[in-house]
Amino acid sequence: GAVVSQHPSRVICKSGTSVKIECRSLDFQATTMFWYRQFPKQSLMLMATSNEGSKATYEQGVEKDKFLINHASLTLSTLTVTSAHPEDSSFYICSASPATSQETQYFGPGTRLLVL
Amino acid sequence: GESVGLHLPTLSVQEGDNSIINCAYSNSASDYFIWYKQESGKGPQFIIDIRSNMDKRQGQRVTVLLNKTVKHLSLQIAATQPGDSAVYFCAETGGATNKLIFGTGTLLAVQP
Repeated sequence: GAVVSQHPSRVICKSGTSVKIECRSLDFQATTMFWYRQFPKQSLMLMATSNEGSKATYEQGVEKDKFLINHASLTLSTLTVTSAHPEDSSFYICSASPATSQETQYFGPGTRLLVL
Repeated sequence: GESVGLHLPTLSVQEGDNSIINCAYSNSASDYFIWYKQESGKGPQFIIDIRSNMDKRQGQRVTVLLNKTVKHLSLQIAATQPGDSAVYFCAETGGATNKLIFGTGTLLAVQP
């Protein structure tokens, strides 16, 4: 149990285009989902926290207009990288917390984004 | 031995040896700590956790030690195997939010 999926697993796009990444909790309801970014050989950096039905809370330095987060249901959150540029190339990882154990985070497999 | 690269410290051990990975955490108010294993190109995988009211917790082949006095956490892996090769992160949380703060990470390289 407690499986989190991400789609797509890898995406290559041209500079200036927008990319949407989906994060799904497959067998539990997630009241809170988190989005992280990870550059090569570095740690995970929290970008934002999203609660179902409300606006996401962004960490300092993360542009909310560039990284649009939608958490429309208890099993799905999406991250849209708008007008992507090469410096946005990174590994994006989501996690989900079940309502029954909010301090627990189950991580997705990550999405590798390459912007050309 | 242990070395520090540009961003990621590396611990190299022989197969069958015990490994000890260390982590210094930042917030004295943190009350819940987790170790994660991350293989290349994958998301973090939960290994073991410990709460601040404990100083030691054991799992299968893994032990976590917590020293709150010096804000130090360690992960011990017994009889290290090639499949243990990965990057290991400690994470801390606590207080009003459930946000996880990840440590720098350590690359464990197991030599056969």
